Amino acid sequence: DAGVTQSPTHLIKTRGQHVTLRCSPISGHKSVSWYQQVLGQGPQFIFQYYEKEERGRGNFPDRFSARQFPNYSSELNVNALLLGDSALYLCASSTRGRYNEQFFGPGTRLTVL
Amino acid sequence: ELKVEQNPLFLSMQEGKNYTIYCNYSTTSDRLYWYRQDPGKSLESLFVLLSNGAVKQEGRLMASLDTKARLSTLHITAAVHDLSATYFCAVDMKTSYDKVIFGPGTSLSVIP
Repeated sequence: DAGVTQSPTHLIKTRGQHVTLRCSPISGHKSVSWYQQVLGQGPQFIFQYYEKEERGRGNFPDRFSARQFPNYSSELNVNALLLGDSALYLCASSTRGRYNEQFFGPGTRLTVL
Repeated sequence: ELKVEQNPLFLSMQEGKNYTIYCNYSTTSDRLYWYRQDPGKSLESLFVLLSNGAVKQEGRLMASLDTKARLSTLHITAAVHDLSATYFCAVDMKTSYDKVIFGPGTSLSVIP
């Protein structure tokens, strides 16, 4: 079975631009979470979506938004990019069951110049 | 606000030695996770611990959970070079939504 997939793998943008990151969960997983990992730090929670509804949001500005589609794939959008948005963006999917074990995708490395 | 701490943050150990990584968290939680991350890679799930006294083992790694002390440990037995990586603990704060808070990570280097 395929794991969590993310696209693109790498992305270079300039300040002020907009970016869309995509994630496809493991088949059967209805929950998708997004994390930002700055180099040398632990992942920071951005959003969680379950059954196409936003179930949680971390301490990120409104420039960050996301959505989940009927097939449970998800997009993360970031507007008005800042240099500080440079990071590895990780998507994780889970069944949201008793264990809620999250399986992470390979990530998208975003560089803002 | 839930906070997760790990210590040590950096650990250099010789092959064949034993060591323990500690993870403390600040509020009651349903679940605790341990992940491994290799440089430039994504996170690999190692353990999910659900209840007080839970202990899980996989190879040279053993994780335990004490919910009363809000403490989890990751014990490394007879370390080998392949265990060199960054290890994160994370805690699931199931309130009105599922939010997983990660610790800062412990960078482990196993030296021959």
